[in-house]
This record gives sequence, structure tokens and C-alpha cells, in this order.
Amino acid sequence: DAGVIQSPRHEVTEMGQEVTLRCKPISGHDYLFWYRQTMMRGLELLIYFNNNVPIDDSGMPEDRFSAKMPNASFSTLKIQPSEPRDSAVYFCASSLGGLRNTIYFGEGSWLTVV
Amino acid sequence: GENVEQHPSTLSVQEGDSAVIKCTYSDSASNYFPWYKQELGKGPQLIIDIRSNVGEKKDQRIAVTLNKTAKHFSLHITETQPEDSAVYFCAASRGTSGTYKYIFGTGTRLKVLA
Repeated sequence: DAGVIQSPRHEVTEMGQEVTLRCKPISGHDYLFWYRQTMMRGLELLIYFNNNVPIDDSGMPEDRFSAKMPNASFSTLKIQPSEPRDSAVYFCASSLGGLRNTIYFGEGSWLTVV
Repeated sequence: GENVEQHPSTLSVQEGDSAVIKCTYSDSASNYFPWYKQELGKGPQLIIDIRSNVGEKKDQRIAVTLNKTAKHFSLHITETQPEDSAVYFCAASRGTSGTYKYIFGTGTRLKVLA
């Protein structure tokens, strides 16, 4: 299996610009997660979906952040407008719900907002 | 709220020695405890996990122990090698549908000195 695929791997953008991060989960997985990792706050869960439906978005920091999952094989995380404090690594992860509950992470999207 | 404390934050060991990382969780309903290894520039990868109905699990040089009464679990790496150098994260989860959240520890940076 190809694993969780994220794009872009690296993004440098100017403050105020829109940023869109993309994710393709592992085929057949029914849960998709967006995490943010920073030195100060570690790994934070932003939002997760089950069968393409958002279940918990309590971790989304502000209205500037939005996430969609139009189908089982694609999700986006959008930041508009971006700010320097959004600089972080954003991970997408997926899982097959059930007894095992193992979450598999992508390689991450490294975002720098200048 | 729920949290997972992880210690130590950094750990240096000589090649061939053992390394132990400890985590304590607060949510007594947690029943699934994965450990992830994150190498530089990559996403976290599952290395071992344990469920609450088991006290210990081993996989070659890696073992995890769980004490439900004390609400703590530990990762043990024996015969450490330079390639074990990475950041290790513990996590706790209830693992039931509808509350599908991992609470991650803050990470331990392990350095194995050759």
C-alpha cells in the first residue's frame, strides 16, 4: 500500500495568502485525521472525519481553518488568510475503525508563513 | 481534561544499552496505547501497541508494559542501535466509536551514541 499521501511536502507562503493542503488516505480506511505539530504544542488533533463526515472539529484553532472531505480518497485543509503563527508541520492520518484503531500518518506538509 | 505525561523529554544511551520511556495517562477509560517513532523529516510511525487486557507485549527488541491500576505504561528498547535515534511518542485512546481520539505525550528524543 502507498500509505497516506500528502501534498505539498513543503510550502512557503506570505502572510495573508490562502494555503491548501491535500491528503489521500490509505484505501479502505474510514477515518481521516488532520494533526498539527509544533515544538511548543506537540501533536494536536485539528479535526477528524468518519466516512467523509466531520466528527470532531474542536481542535481547529480559528475560523481561518477549514477542512473538507468530498470523497473517501481525498481531503483538504485550508487556511485563509494564513498567519506566521500557522507555521508548523501538518499531518494527515487515516485509520480503519474497529478493534485495532491504529492511526497511520503521512509524511507531513511543512508550512512556513512569512 | 485528559492528558498524557511522558518522561524523559530527552534520553541519551550508549549503543547496546537499554532505553526506557514512561507515560502516565489520566483517562481511566483509555484502553489502547500505541507508541510511535518519528524520524527527522518524517511522519510518526507505529512501532508497537498494547490493549488494556494485556500487561506486556514484545516485538524483538521492543517491549511495552502496562499498569492499569497506576495508569502508566512504558516502552523498553533493548540492545539499542544508532538507527533507534528518533523522537518517540506515546498515546492513549478510548478506542470506541464516537470518541476516536488519541491523546499524545509530548515526546522523548532518544539519542543512541555509537
